[in-house]
Amino acid sequence: AQSVAQPEDQVNVAEGNPLTVKCTYSVSGNPYLFWYVQYPNRGLQFLLKYITGDNLVKGSYGFEAEFNKSQTSFHLKKPSALVSDSALYFCAVRDTGYNDMRFGAGTRLTVKP
Amino acid sequence: DVKVTQSSRYLVKRTGEKVFLECVQDMDHENMFWYRQDPGLGLRLIYFSYDVKMKEKGDIPEGYSVSREKKERFSLILESASTNQTSMYLCASSIQGYSNQPQHFGDGTRLSIL
Repeated sequence: AQSVAQPEDQVNVAEGNPLTVKCTYSVSGNPYLFWYVQYPNRGLQFLLKYITGDNLVKGSYGFEAEFNKSQTSFHLKKPSALVSDSALYFCAVRDTGYNDMRFGAGTRLTVKP
Repeated sequence: DVKVTQSSRYLVKRTGEKVFLECVQDMDHENMFWYRQDPGLGLRLIYFSYDVKMKEKGDIPEGYSVSREKKERFSLILESASTNQTSMYLCASSIQGYSNQPQHFGDGTRLSIL
């Protein structure tokens, strides 16, 4: 079975401050982990993924994520938030050998000027 | 770039109607998926298909069916629409056999059942 949890419904940060959006996962095998962003009235856009190798992965728009196997976490980070980063963020996991993914409930990020 | 196109952005239907949501992708992907998105629940998988004429139930298939007659097109059918099917519906596609590849999403159809 595969599942993912996003413990925070809402994250608020000031522009220019670092941001973190949290994600934990559960899989039977090796996880493939993904972050997506959704802007209002749009579909999900792929940001970054972890497959194997370096625990820190870099993605689009200056985002990065840190994979921690012992804590089964894959937190999304950005060193300096922008107002335009305000959106809904989804973490997703796919166990090896599966075609489908499991998504978290989403975290709404608000960056205030 | 992969393009996943959903035929309607907004749709209003009446209870009991048969509703068709259409999705087309242009990257020759084997896998296609239908999700519904509700606040606080994230994305829930309704059905997916890994080949033409093949389908698998997701987590919430009740009240829905699907059709995949051509590789590029995946249709979601609400057999008899009910108000609890008011939601945002998202279609996605991905390459088969490559679990490390992301899914690509359309812009969604916001469906209201009155």
